[in-house]
Amino acid sequence: GESVGLHLPTLSVQEGDNSIINCAYSNSASDYFIWYKQESGKGPQFIIDIRSNMDKRQGQRVTVLLNKTVKHLSLQIAATQPGDSAVYFCAEMSDSARQLTFGSGTQLTVLP
Amino acid sequence: NAGVTQTPKFQVLKTGQSMTLQCAQDMNHNSMYWYRQDPGMGLRLIYYSASEGTTDKGEVPNGYNVSRLNKREFSLRLESAAPSQTSVYFCASTAAYEQYFGPGTRLTVT
Repeated sequence: GESVGLHLPTLSVQEGDNSIINCAYSNSASDYFIWYKQESGKGPQFIIDIRSNMDKRQGQRVTVLLNKTVKHLSLQIAATQPGDSAVYFCAEMSDSARQLTFGSGTQLTVLP
Repeated sequence: NAGVTQTPKFQVLKTGQSMTLQCAQDMNHNSMYWYRQDPGMGLRLIYYSASEGTTDKGEVPNGYNVSRLNKREFSLRLESAAPSQTSVYFCASTAAYEQYFGPGTRLTVT
């Protein structure tokens, strides 16, 4: 029979629109959250981070929102550009464990 | 600065063969990590080294061994490769929280 592979969640946006990528995390004891961008054939690249005592942090064209009540993290990218096309991962870490746990990722495609 | 470098970039092994993946960083970081990434999944931690001379198991250590040769270098060894170890392997290093990743080694075990 035909085998079925795993598929990443996907998000397609028009160039110039804003993108919102979501992530649900599992460990309520996590102290630190990071978003990574991974382009095809490359290693993950740090985008932005946020501590658990914050609910919002802004960078250049990116904003991370943290909702600890529902254990939800989001990455907002303003004015999405073709170079933003990549897989985006969220990761969490506790100060005691000092190990990152990664989510499964979202494939962002920017349409011309 | 080269950051984190990994060798080789690609490798094909037959089942039962052994090999060592090399990783080096020039950022004077204390902590180094080895991850594997399978299609449609995030990165899973194999082993890490919090400082020179120490190593600890991560989420998926079975079938692997590591050596923290010095502060710069952290190698990953497959003693007897299995098809289930076909994956892309990433090395990373960190001084605090932000991890810097190497370009990866794509390993296929036939």
